[in-house]
Amino acid sequence: GAVVSQHPSRVICKSGTSVKIECRSLDFQATTMFWYRQFPKQSLMLMATSNEGSKATYEQGVEKDKFLINHASLTLSTLTVTSAHPEDSSFYICSARPTGANQPQHFGDGTRLSIL
Amino acid sequence: QKEVEQDPGPLSVPEGAIVSLNCTYSNSAFQYFMWYRQYSRKGPELLMYTYSSGNKEDGRFTAQVDKSSKYISLFIRDSQPSDSATYLCAMSKAAGNKLTFGGGTRVLVKP
Repeated sequence: GAVVSQHPSRVICKSGTSVKIECRSLDFQATTMFWYRQFPKQSLMLMATSNEGSKATYEQGVEKDKFLINHASLTLSTLTVTSAHPEDSSFYICSARPTGANQPQHFGDGTRLSIL
Repeated sequence: QKEVEQDPGPLSVPEGAIVSLNCTYSNSAFQYFMWYRQYSRKGPELLMYTYSSGNKEDGRFTAQVDKSSKYISLFIRDSQPSDSATYLCAMSKAAGNKLTFGGGTRVLVKP
């Protein structure tokens, strides 16, 4: 149980392109989803917290207009990297927390984004 | 100083040995403690989830939390080459809150 699916797993695109990444909880409902960024050989860095039906809460230093987050349902959150540039190349990972008390976060398998 | 400290390793052990991992933290408000395993180019996989102090066992894995010392541990018994991965500790102040991660320890289990 507690499976989180992230799509696509790999994206290569040209500078200036906008890229959308989907995060789905397959067998549970998630009121809260999280988006992380991970650089090589480093730990996860939280970008934003997404609550279903409301605006995302962004961490300090993360550009809201650059990284658009939508959490329209209890099983789907999307991250759109707008007008991506090479410095946005990274490994993006989402997590989802099942609705209910004392539930841990479960992670997707990540999206490797490469901007040429 | 980071809120959560974790030795980056690598920690190399022979197959069948016990792997011992730990994290220290500075914020006494942390109540929920997790261990995740991450293979290269994959997302973290939840191994253990504990609340407050105490021990928890699940198969080959044992998690220990000592809040008085601000110290958590993960033990892996009968280690296998497939256990070779990066192990991340994480903690939060309340269930559902954002996680604070350690930097991860790379573990190599040699056949």
